[in-house]
Amino acid sequence: DAKTTQPTSMDCAEGRAANLPCNHSTISGNEYVYWYRQIHSQGPQYIIHGLKNNETNEMASLIITEDRKSSTLILPHATLRDTAVYYCIVDTGGFKTIFGAGTRLFVKA
Amino acid sequence: DAGVIQSPRHEVTEMGQEVTLRCKPISGHDYLFWYRQTMMRGLELLIYFNNNVPIDDSGMPEDRFSAKMPNASFSTLKIQPSEPRDSAVYFCASSFTGGFEKLFFGSGTQLSVL
Repeated sequence: DAKTTQPTSMDCAEGRAANLPCNHSTISGNEYVYWYRQIHSQGPQYIIHGLKNNETNEMASLIITEDRKSSTLILPHATLRDTAVYYCIVDTGGFKTIFGAGTRLFVKA
Repeated sequence: DAGVIQSPRHEVTEMGQEVTLRCKPISGHDYLFWYRQTMMRGLELLIYFNNNVPIDDSGMPEDRFSAKMPNASFSTLKIQPSEPRDSAVYFCASSFTGGFEKLFFGSGTQLSVL
């Protein structure tokens, strides 16, 4: 199984960009990288996903390195409401992928 | 759409009692998933359905756990008998793609078994 490693926690100042890294060095060629987040007392929320190219949507940008062994989720202007646990997930071809511990992002005023 | 709706929001029960968790997926979604979240194991898949048919229940921990989906708009997860180690947050999610993208999760049921 491809697995991911993320920092346990990060801080970010409100209004600044939050850059959340993820390592997935054993990713296979056809496996996508997904990002979800979980705000306290809520269910996980889909953010973005990608295969090779960088992706951007209304919530965030996803930068995937050329060798695909790592990626970075970018929240361009973090707000207090972005405080959450962020999960980087590699789809191993089924739904059994465990979300793992993720990165706890604290956005501070 | 109101999103994925789960009930109850909180459930406190005594060991040995039957517990039933309920889920209403988003209309039009043909995949439904049950997840369990604990501090020790994170968020793990228990079972998922496609078009009301259980596809993979290998994540169901024991025979005490069972799940049904009698129609496209309703699913239940039942634990009988419940044990303290079943205490966790149980999430239901639905999807129309069958892929990992854009799973829509409910708010979860916080289960406490005393």
